[in-house]
Amino acid sequence: GAGVSQSPRYKVAKRGQDVALRCDPISGHVSLFWYQQALGQGPEFLTYFQNEAQLDKSGLPSDRFFAERPEGSVSTLKIQRTQQEDSAVYLCASSPRRGEEQFFGPGTRLTVL
Amino acid sequence: AQKITQTQPGMFVQEKEAVTLDCTYDTSDPSYGLFWYKQPSSGEMIFLIYQGSYDQQNATEGRYSLNFQKARKSANLVISASQLGDSAMYFCAMREGGDDKIIFGKGTRLHILP
Repeated sequence: GAGVSQSPRYKVAKRGQDVALRCDPISGHVSLFWYQQALGQGPEFLTYFQNEAQLDKSGLPSDRFFAERPEGSVSTLKIQRTQQEDSAVYLCASSPRRGEEQFFGPGTRLTVL
Repeated sequence: AQKITQTQPGMFVQEKEAVTLDCTYDTSDPSYGLFWYKQPSSGEMIFLIYQGSYDQQNATEGRYSLNFQKARKSANLVISASQLGDSAMYFCAMREGGDDKIIFGKGTRLHILP
């Protein structure tokens, strides 16, 4: 069966550009998470959705980061006016229900020049 | 304070030997879950094993076992009979109480030598 997919896999942006990263969770999975993984570090939580509701956005580093999941399936993480410190791998994960195992996608590697 | 501490940034182990990857955690919540994930060079996080704070027995999944010492707040991963394909980054992680997010450690890079 299909796992979590993310697109694009690689994105290069010039400083100041806006980017949009897409996550397709496993079909039927209710919970969706975004994590940011800097080089050589563990993933850090950004935000969490239960269906279309964004229940926790405490990890978003600034108001330049915005995430949505309007129909409770596909999610988009948008970063406005990208900065060099935004360079990282952005991981998406989904789980069947709240509190259950999270299945991760392959990530999007963002490089801001 | 660090919630998850992995003190071994890198390890080199001979193929077929057993490996222990260290993890200590910090929480005041009596209910929590502990995870280990493997991240190969391809980048995907692969779930390995889970231990709940109220589980009476140590978790096992094939060649993976979790040495859970609650009083010491320790959750070491043991890989028996290591294989070349085990070479990867390994992350210890925790979910606290009613929280949904997972908190990860900094990881240990494991190299299996032929």
